Amino acid sequence: GQQVMQIPQYQHVQEGEDFTTYCNSSTTLSNIQWYKQRPGGHPVFLIQLVKSGEVKKQKRLTFQFGEAKKNSSLHITATQTTDVGTYFCAGATNSGYALNFGKGTSLLVTP
Amino acid sequence: DGGITQSPKYLFRKEGQNVTLSCEQNLNHDAMYWYRQDPGQGLRLIYYSQIVNDFQKGDIAEGYSVSREKKESFPLTVTSAQKNPTAFYLCASSISTFPYNEQFFGPGTRLTVL
Repeated sequence: GQQVMQIPQYQHVQEGEDFTTYCNSSTTLSNIQWYKQRPGGHPVFLIQLVKSGEVKKQKRLTFQFGEAKKNSSLHITATQTTDVGTYFCAGATNSGYALNFGKGTSLLVTP
Repeated sequence: DGGITQSPKYLFRKEGQNVTLSCEQNLNHDAMYWYRQDPGQGLRLIYYSQIVNDFQKGDIAEGYSVSREKKESFPLTVTSAQKNPTAFYLCASSISTFPYNEQFFGPGTRLTVL
């Protein structure tokens, strides 16, 4: 099936540092969703991007969808220990019913 | 209190035995999904269902079976044909399979085959 690649796989930062995870697809996506999974928990929906070049913000989190709708990023400003978890992107094509999840980026924040 | 429930949270089985994982939702969602999560592998789709009495194979359906006799329920059976069944299994639902709908996940079942 369609591949959604996500990098990096792991990221370890000091509290207060910024963090970015990237999601790339070889095919044009109709939309992209971002989920967060806390350690020991289940994925929880964060946001959806649909339009080319779209940028959305949630407090310290900034989500971008590329102009070609083939890539996306999640940027966290001034990380906090509550940001710890694995962040997944999930994309779909216009012809697909199912979301394809990236492998996720695990973020560790040390105080 | 609306949501998705999966039980049990931890499940142990002997090799060669079939095991059924339950998933129930009271969100009135038409679409339901089963994912498998292994360390470093993300979420891989096993089966999904768009509506009652209908289901489709995902990327890794071999060794698994499902049924959708009721809108609220989408049980997953891990058969003895599944080569490496030990994993974390997540059930999810959405209003429909239209990919613009967010998915709501259950708490998951961690299956260990001994």
